[in-house]
Amino acid sequence: RKEVEQDPGPFNVPEGATVAFNCTYSNSASQSFFWYRQDCRKEPKLLMSVYSSGNEDGRFTAQLNRASQYISLLIRDSKLSDSATYLCVVLTSGTYKYIFGTGTRLKVLA
Amino acid sequence: DTGVSQNPRHKITKRGQNVTFRCDPISEHNRLYWYRQTLGQGPEFLTYFQNEAQLEKSRLLSDRFSAERPKGSFSTLEIQRTEQGDSAMYLCASSPLRGFGELFFGEGSRLTVL
Repeated sequence: RKEVEQDPGPFNVPEGATVAFNCTYSNSASQSFFWYRQDCRKEPKLLMSVYSSGNEDGRFTAQLNRASQYISLLIRDSKLSDSATYLCVVLTSGTYKYIFGTGTRLKVLA
Repeated sequence: DTGVSQNPRHKITKRGQNVTFRCDPISEHNRLYWYRQTLGQGPEFLTYFQNEAQLEKSRLLSDRFSAERPKGSFSTLEIQRTEQGDSAMYLCASSPLRGFGELFFGEGSRLTVL
């Protein structure tokens, strides 16, 4: 079983739609969580950290459920520019090794 | 440009040859990471350094792979006796010492093994 699992998609949604991605992690000792965005043929870039209480940044909301060991990302009012791959990233306690999921591809359609 | 710099950006080599990639991290960043990414997959952890110390290396990494960061600044990743399965994008990232912060990635070095 992979340490971090994501549905690879692709998710094809119309502009203005709300879309949600989930990610599960296997190591209960994981301590920090992030969502990264990767555009085609580009390097990954941090989208947002995920806090225990959940957090929001504009149209983006991240949630963490430690009991079920999953993380979610909600994108509201999707824009064409949101089309990208969204990578779930987990950092395990006692190490600075960041583990990436396979990524979920999002395509926002006009 | 004060971001993470990687070179060469592209490398085409024949099977069995050795290749070396270089990464120059953001100057004040103590941690440096190497990842490998293939099409449709997320970045796969290879190794990381804190200053010059290599603190962790993936069990998936064969003995043909070696990484160094001799003075705690730039790093090199060498692949010996390349195989076609080594074809991938090799990504370097750096992060500051304090906290569990953001990884800043370079643009990557794309390796094609013929």
